[in-house]
Order: sequence, then C-alpha cells, then structure tokens
Amino acid sequence: GDSVTQMEGPVTLSEEAFLTINCTYTATGYPSLFWYVQYPGEGLQLLLKATKADDKGSNKGFEATYRKETTSFHLEKGSVQVSDSAVYFCALGYGGATNKLIFGTGTLLAVQP
Amino acid sequence: EPEVTQTPSHQVTQMGQEVILRCVPISNHLYFYWYRQILGQKVEFLVSFYNNEISEKSEIFDDQFSVERPDGSNFTLKIRSTKLEDSAMYFCASSRQENTEAFFGQGTRLTVV
Repeated sequence: GDSVTQMEGPVTLSEEAFLTINCTYTATGYPSLFWYVQYPGEGLQLLLKATKADDKGSNKGFEATYRKETTSFHLEKGSVQVSDSAVYFCALGYGGATNKLIFGTGTLLAVQP
Repeated sequence: EPEVTQTPSHQVTQMGQEVILRCVPISNHLYFYWYRQILGQKVEFLVSFYNNEISEKSEIFDDQFSVERPDGSNFTLKIRSTKLEDSAMYFCASSRQENTEAFFGQGTRLTVV
C-alpha cells in the first residue's frame, strides 16, 4: 500500500541555517505530494504541493521537488527563522471524491535565535 | 480568514464511555474528513463524508465510530465505547470540492483513562 516516511525529529537549527527535512514515499499510482505545517496550538496548514513528477512546490521560502526516480519530496529552506519552528508533515494524495491524504509521522523543527 | 474549529481542545473520558468530538467546517465546504494521530505515530485517515453519507472509511473506522452532520454546520465524530487505544489527537478537515485543498482544525486531544 501507499506510505510516507519522514526523517526523525526533532531537528534543531540556529537561525539562518539551511534546512532539509527528508521525505520518501511508496505509491501504487501517481499521487500529488504535499507538505503541511502545524504551528503550536494551530491546525495543519498546507505549506506547498506538487502534482506531478519534476514539479517544484514553493511557499514562504520553502521548496520541495517531486522526484519520481528517487520517490522523494524533500523540504528545503535556505535560511530558517525562529518563526519557522513547527511540526512539518509530508503527505501524498490522489484527490478524487475521497480526497484522502496519507501522512508521515511529522518532523518537529526547533529554530534557536 | 475562515477556519475549521474543533471542540473541545482536550477531552478526558473513562474507558467504555461514549464521546462526541465536534467540528465546525468552513461554511461553503462540501467534503468533510476525520483523521487521528496516536502519539508518536502517523496521522491516519479515518473517514470522508460528502452529501450526507460516508464516501470512504479506513479499517480503523469500525462499528464503534460514527459521523454525523446533524444541523448543516456541525460535523461530529462519535466513539460509542472508548478504549485506551483510542487516545489520540483527532483532526477534522474540510474542502470545498474534491481534489482541492483540505483545511484542518487545530485538533482535539482525546485521553481515555
């Protein structure tokens, strides 16, 4: 079946450091890929998405490229801020009437000033 | 900005008791979902709901679970006889159409003692 694997957290970085959070997936079809973020006390928010191979999703300085050959969708940001501290979830979905998402476990990012 | 709201934020219940988790989706959304996350594990799909009926449910969503949209604004998840292993964070989500972004609530933490 389909699944998503994320790197273990927590990830602790200093402000302005480069961020990579690894995400790999197993899929039976051709899903869309997503990164969701959860800030403390809030719900999951869509951060970015890519709908097909080689697409790059980007938002708020974050980027991720849909790599079919390596079945990966790694999240990157060139210079993190304290305000980026949150839990980041990688997910895949096929849309359709169900619009069901399959999530990874989430990675906690802590950015220190 | 419209948002999905969930109540309560934290609920403690005794094993064997019935619990109802409440959600108010975004008002013009037509598709509704419940997910859960057991501590340290993945966010898991439970059920999707459209046009007053379940469109898909996971293996987790057994006869102990039910969903309802009783009054056109609330969307509820009922667990009839809670078990210790039902302790988790429960997320409600909604989307305007199929294949569109799902907006998540902040979650209800259910603790079964």
